[in-house]
Amino acid sequence: AQSVTQLDSQVPVFEEAPVELRCNYSSSVSVYLFWYVQYPNQGLQLLLKYLSGSTLVKGINGFEAEFNKSQTSFHLRKPSVHISDTAEYFCAVSQDTGTASKLTFGTGTRLQVTL
Amino acid sequence: DGGITQSPKYLFRKEGQNVTLSCEQNLNHDAMYWYRQDPGQGLRLIYYSQIVNDFQKGDIAEGYSVSREKKESFPLTVTSAQKNPTAFYLCASSPQVTSGRRGEQYFGPGTRLTVT
Repeated sequence: AQSVTQLDSQVPVFEEAPVELRCNYSSSVSVYLFWYVQYPNQGLQLLLKYLSGSTLVKGINGFEAEFNKSQTSFHLRKPSVHISDTAEYFCAVSQDTGTASKLTFGTGTRLQVTL
Repeated sequence: DGGITQSPKYLFRKEGQNVTLSCEQNLNHDAMYWYRQDPGQGLRLIYYSQIVNDFQKGDIAEGYSVSREKKESFPLTVTSAQKNPTAFYLCASSPQVTSGRRGEQYFGPGTRLTVT
């Protein structure tokens, strides 16, 4: 069974400050990890993903994440946030099932950026 | 433009009534999914379908039903047996699981269902 833990339900940060959103996972098989972003009253959008290869992955809007197998973590970072980054961020782990790609999501972290 | 549409955006129903949520995609994806989102609980999988006329239960299927008669459409019915149906419902689809696209899901804008 796979699971994802996002320890921080809310992260307040000032504009132009750096931010890190934490994600830890557990999986008994090969790990494929993702970050999705949800803006208010909208669906989710893929931010970045780790499938294999380099442990540092870059995504859209200046975000990046680092896969750390020994710590079973996949933390999301941005060196300087903008007001428009205010949203909910979900970490997820994937399990392939035939032609479907099921995702198990964490409970989400609400990033609140203020001036 | 390719994408996923869900209608309506807001839906209100009386307790004891069945209600069907629409989900349509024109991305030519084989797999489709329904999730339920509640505050502080993330997304939970209700049902998913890998191909027309086939679907599997997710983690919280009780009180819900689905059909997949066409590749483009995957409607969800919330039945009166669902004890707590008020929630935000999200539909998604995904391309075939190839080495580069594993885990990519494309989401609709969601339907907020309120049952009183």
